[in-house]
Parts: sequence; structure tokens; C-alpha cells
Amino acid sequence: DTGVSQDPRHKITKRGQNVTFRCDPISEHNRLYWYRQTLGQGPEFLTYFQNEAQLEKSRLLSDRFSAERPKGSFSTLEIQRTEQGDSAMYLCASRVLQSAGELFFGEGSRLTVL
Amino acid sequence: GESVGLHLPTLSVQEGDNSIINCAYSNSASDYFIWYKQESGKGPQFIIDIRSNMDKRQGQRVTVLLNKTVKHLSLQIAATQPGDSAVYFCAENGPGGSNYKLTFGKGTLLTVNP
Repeated sequence: DTGVSQDPRHKITKRGQNVTFRCDPISEHNRLYWYRQTLGQGPEFLTYFQNEAQLEKSRLLSDRFSAERPKGSFSTLEIQRTEQGDSAMYLCASRVLQSAGELFFGEGSRLTVL
Repeated sequence: GESVGLHLPTLSVQEGDNSIINCAYSNSASDYFIWYKQESGKGPQFIIDIRSNMDKRQGQRVTVLLNKTVKHLSLQIAATQPGDSAVYFCAENGPGGSNYKLTFGKGTLLTVNP
């Protein structure tokens, strides 16, 4: 499968625990995006990378959220000290900088905080 | 404020009928628009896009219309099939377009009755 891959697909955790999600973009896609989606809502932009550089992170929901893309390939999104309000689907998307603009989304990582 | 929204949260059609899903946007500087389809438990899937210098674009069974005067976007699906049942999101890219940080609306649930 050459699409955007996310892992894990589902994560159930207790409040206060840390969680990390991984995204493997489509090969050679230099732009990588993280979105969050709650039930009944459209995806909400969180942050994005061009290669290894994080170009915007002001939309991350709090300082408990952080993202990395150390080698310009896969990316991780970490949530520290999870809260019940963090329960959502976390979507990763990628694209080639020079492309028309379509974002290719992964299947998402669903987080449930008990 | 800047927002993307939908006129109809749900739409139910008979198989074989044409479907029209509407979307209003408020940022007149947006220059790129995309329609995504999202099936239950899956990530958004690209359907069709359109740039602000166009009024209409056609794909396979789908047509997107853009009316910049009233800031309205629509997605037309011809000969709707049961497999078209999903939530449809419109998304816009605001000014400074190359970042492609899409802003999504809430979505319209399309149900196709056999």
C-alpha cells in the first residue's frame, strides 16, 4: 500500500497518560499535515511540516501537544497528560509541494481517553 | 469571521437520482476549494477540486460549481449510487495558497436509498 499510513488505528488510554501517534506519508511527499476530527465535525488543522521543518504549530491545541518529523519522512504526534477532551480522530495527510494542492489523508488514529 | 459551512446537514436520495450538496464560504480571498468524501471509520478521500479562477469543473460523475459572487460552492453527483453514501466535506484554502492549510466545513451526510 503506497498511501498515507497511520499507527495505531485505535488507542484507548486513561486520563493523564501520554500517547504517541505515527504517520508515514506517501513516499517523496515533502509536506505533511496533522488534523484533528471530532464526531460530526470536519477536520481541524493542527500543524504541518515541509520536510523536517515544522512551519506552523500555533494551531496545536495546547502545550501538551507536540509533533516531530526528524528525518523528513515519518512524523509523530504526541499528547502528554491526556484529557477526556482529547478524544478524537487524529488524521495525517501529505502532499507534494509542487502539486495542485490535493491532500492525501490516512485512515486516522482514533483516540479514546477514559 | 472566516468560515466554511454547509446549507444541508443531511441529504437522502434515491439510487439513480442526481445529488447536489451545497457549501457556503465567507473568505472571499480563498483561492482553492476541494470536496472530500469520508466513509465511516475512514480518512477523507479527494473527490474534486477547483481554483477560484474557474466557475465549473467536471470529473467522473461529479461536477463542482463555484459562484464567487455569492461565495457558494456545490457538488453535483450524477446517477447517485449506494456507494456514494458518505459524509461530504467542502474545504477551502485561504490566501497565501501554497501552504494549503485547508479549512473544512461540518459536512453533509448523503444517504442513497436503493
